[in-house]
Amino acid sequence: AQSVTQLDSHVSVSEGTPVLLRCNYSSSYSPSLFWYVQHPNKGLQLLLKYTSAATLVKGINGFEAEFKKSETSFHLTKPSAHMSDAAEYFCVVVYSSASKIIFGSGTRLSIRP
Amino acid sequence: SAVISQKPSRDICQRGTSLTIQCQVDSQVTMMFWYRQQPGQSLTLIATANQGSEATYESGFVIDKFPISRPNLTFSTLTVSNMSPEDSSIYLCSARLAEEQFFGPGTRLTVL
Repeated sequence: AQSVTQLDSHVSVSEGTPVLLRCNYSSSYSPSLFWYVQHPNKGLQLLLKYTSAATLVKGINGFEAEFKKSETSFHLTKPSAHMSDAAEYFCVVVYSSASKIIFGSGTRLSIRP
Repeated sequence: SAVISQKPSRDICQRGTSLTIQCQVDSQVTMMFWYRQQPGQSLTLIATANQGSEATYESGFVIDKFPISRPNLTFSTLTVSNMSPEDSSIYLCSARLAEEQFFGPGTRLTVL
C-alpha cells in the first residue's frame, strides 16, 4: 500500500542547533515528495519539493531535504534552528500512478531558547 | 502559482445544521481537493472534485454527509450536513497546478 511515515511526532532542539525531521515513503516508480509547514492558526506553506530532478533540494528559510531512493527517505534538515521554525511539519507524497496525495502524520518542531 | 481563498474562515454552528464552505482559486485548475484536519491531527482527504464529474469520496466519507459542488474550473463548495460535535475540525481546500499542491487557509468549524 502507498504510505508515508514521519518517524517522530515531536522533535525538540535548542536554538542554533541542527534540525532533522525524518520521512520515509513506500516504494513507488515515480513519487513526488514535498515538505509543508503549518504555523499555529496559519495555512499550509510549501517548504520544498522533489520531482525527479536533483536529489538534494533546497527550500525556503534555510531548509533542505535529500531524496534517497535506496532508503526510500526524504528527511528534512536545517543547519541552525531559529525560534520562528517552531511549527508542525508535514511530509507529503504524490504517487503519479494514482494522483493521490498522502500526508504524513506530522512532526511538531519545538525550539528551546 | 495559485492563491486559494476560503469562506468563511471560521464558524460556530449548532448540531443538526449544515454549513457550506466556499473555495475560490485564482487560476483555472482541473483537480481540487477537500481535506479535514482534526485537532492535533494530520490532514485527511475527504474527496477529490474534478470539474464536470461527480466528486470521488475517500473511505469513511459519503456524499450525503459532505456534498460537493464544482461548477467551474476556479470554484468549489463543500457542505457539512447535519453537523455533530465530531465534525468540529479545520476544513481545507486544495488545488493542484503544474505538479504543485496549493492549500487554502482553512475553515475552522466548531459544532456545539
